[in-house]
Amino acid sequence: GQQVMQIPQYQHVQEGEDFTTYCNSSTTLSNIQWYKQRPGGHPVFLIQLVKSGEVKKQKRLTFQFGEAKKNSSLHITATQTTDVGTYFCAGHDFHSGYSTLTFGKGTMLLVSP
Amino acid sequence: NAGVTQTPKFQVLKTGQSMTLQCAQDMNHEYMSWYRQDPGMGLRLIHYSVGAGITDQGEVPNGYNVSRSTTEDFPLRLLSAAPSQTSVYFCASRGGWGKDTEAFFGQGTRLTVV
Repeated sequence: GQQVMQIPQYQHVQEGEDFTTYCNSSTTLSNIQWYKQRPGGHPVFLIQLVKSGEVKKQKRLTFQFGEAKKNSSLHITATQTTDVGTYFCAGHDFHSGYSTLTFGKGTMLLVSP
Repeated sequence: NAGVTQTPKFQVLKTGQSMTLQCAQDMNHEYMSWYRQDPGMGLRLIHYSVGAGITDQGEVPNGYNVSRSTTEDFPLRLLSAAPSQTSVYFCASRGGWGKDTEAFFGQGTRLTVV
């Protein structure tokens, strides 16, 4: 079945440093979604990328979808303590359609002031 | 607009007991799913449904049952609780093909089996 791998599993940065998490799928994806889960909370949708090579920005967050639609990244510029949480990527497999959404294991981000 | 509502928020069960986790959504979404979240394991799909009367197994279905008699409700039943089922459970809903495929999650149920 489809596998979505995320690295790193955990990262601790000082406030103001940049952060990047990477997502790789074993199969071609129809789209990739990113979610953020604050400690003790539930995952909340951040963004969806659909097109090959697509790049989207949300303030200090930059999301990229690979040309082959098998990988993606989330980059945070100048982290803030409010960025603390776990970031998940999730994808729909191109062949199986939209019935299931497969999540990566997530990257836990800790930001020290 | 309540979104996705899960109950209860916390539950402690004894080994062998059964219970039902409730999930309801008011967005008329076709797709609903149950995930469990364990440390370092991410979100693993237990069961999912693509519409009323249609359910299917996910990655970790053993020990759980689901049914979908209405579009709004998707309960998860633990048949005979085991300590390995101690976890945080999330229900999620999405629109169907070609619609909003963003997943909306409930607040979660923290289950402890002793």
